[in-house]
Amino acid sequence: TQLLEQSPQFLSIQEGENLTVYCNSSSVFSSLQWYRQEPGEGPVLLVTVVTGGEVKKLKRLTFQFGDARKDSSLHITAAQPGDTGLYLCAGRPGKLSFGAGTTVTVRA
Amino acid sequence: DAGVIQSPRHEVTEMGQEVTLRCKPISGHNSLFWYRQTMMRGLELLIYFNNNVPIDDSGMPEDRFSAKMPNASFSTLKIQPSEPRDSAVYFCASSLGDRGLSPLHFGNGTRLTVT
Repeated sequence: TQLLEQSPQFLSIQEGENLTVYCNSSSVFSSLQWYRQEPGEGPVLLVTVVTGGEVKKLKRLTFQFGDARKDSSLHITAAQPGDTGLYLCAGRPGKLSFGAGTTVTVRA
Repeated sequence: DAGVIQSPRHEVTEMGQEVTLRCKPISGHNSLFWYRQTMMRGLELLIYFNNNVPIDDSGMPEDRFSAKMPNASFSTLKIQPSEPRDSAVYFCASSLGDRGLSPLHFGNGTRLTVT
């Protein structure tokens, strides 16, 4: 059983469309991180959220941490093929635990 | 900065053979993590070290797996004897500290295939 549940598992969209992926848990997290992993490489940190209700923007990516610090979402506006990858959320209580990830494919 | 360096990138071996995976963390980072990634189970933490000392090895599957960190710039993960179910991508990651907001910096992984 995953401590962090990510949905959907797979997402395939056309360039220019928007998408949202979700990360949910029954546990409260002191912080939550989002990583992106491209084929043949290790995950790379995108953002860390700490405060309940926090919203962070990274160019076309918007990250939100739930008020109760149990869930988070990642929204991508006007997706581009370069956004293709596996998006992983990771959170602590204690040691860092990863969700199973959402595989995003953006078609040109 | 060269980042976290793992070797080899690919390893193909026969069941029963010993496999050693190597990792050089980012200089100055004091925490090192070994993860295993499979389609079925995602990213699983196997073991992590803080200041070269193993802190949590509860993720190590069984006694066939062992990890060492003899100094701050080198770590190994050994599987002896290897089995087909050990086939996966093994990642090493390092960070400044093992708690709080410290991001993990991952290497590019070692893809292990046991036949």
